[in-house]
Amino acid sequence: GQQLNQSPQSMFIQEGEDVSMNCTSSSIFNTWLWYKQDPGEGPVLLIALYKAGELTSNGRLTAQFGITRKDSFLNISASIPSDVGIYFCAGQTASGTYKYIFGTGTRLKVLA
Amino acid sequence: DSGVTQTPKHLITATGQRVTLRCSPRSGDLSVYWYQQSLDQGLQFLIQYYNGEERAKGNILERFSAQQFPDLHSELNLSSLELGDSALYFCASSAGDRGNEQFFGPGTRLTVL
Repeated sequence: GQQLNQSPQSMFIQEGEDVSMNCTSSSIFNTWLWYKQDPGEGPVLLIALYKAGELTSNGRLTAQFGITRKDSFLNISASIPSDVGIYFCAGQTASGTYKYIFGTGTRLKVLA
Repeated sequence: DSGVTQTPKHLITATGQRVTLRCSPRSGDLSVYWYQQSLDQGLQFLIQYYNGEERAKGNILERFSAQQFPDLHSELNLSSLELGDSALYFCASSAGDRGNEQFFGPGTRLTVL
């Protein structure tokens, strides 16, 4: 199935460091959603973005809707151990069925 | 707690069998989406229903079908199960049929032996 390119695939960081991850596509999207998933659990919505250029924060998380509408970025500041998990982006297609396409995920591991 | 419920949480069955997964959306949400997540993979969109009608279809196999009932709960039916159907199946709901935030349930882990 169609998926977004999400990078990095995985990362190990030290507690307190900032983290950046992004999703890119050749297609234009109307909406971007960022989720965090813990093992065996359902994804939890972190941030929703609706306009090109939009920058939105949720605590230590900041996400941006790229100007070209083909990419999005998620930053986590001052990471803590509970940030461990898999982060997914999801983009809503701008035409057709308006379905959401999910990124391949970024697996984050935080070293205390 | 997202407000989306799914049953059962775990399901173990044999190849060739048929199972039904159930989802209740958040109160007030009209759309239900079904996703499949294989081990260490991303989420694959299967199908969406909005207010009882099929709205969008993804890579759903012909052996799979779904429906949304008048009370808005949804069921995903998987038949002639194969080993490769083992996965986590998630249901999500949203208020409208497009452009809305999706909230996910806890998932059903299906194991086909």
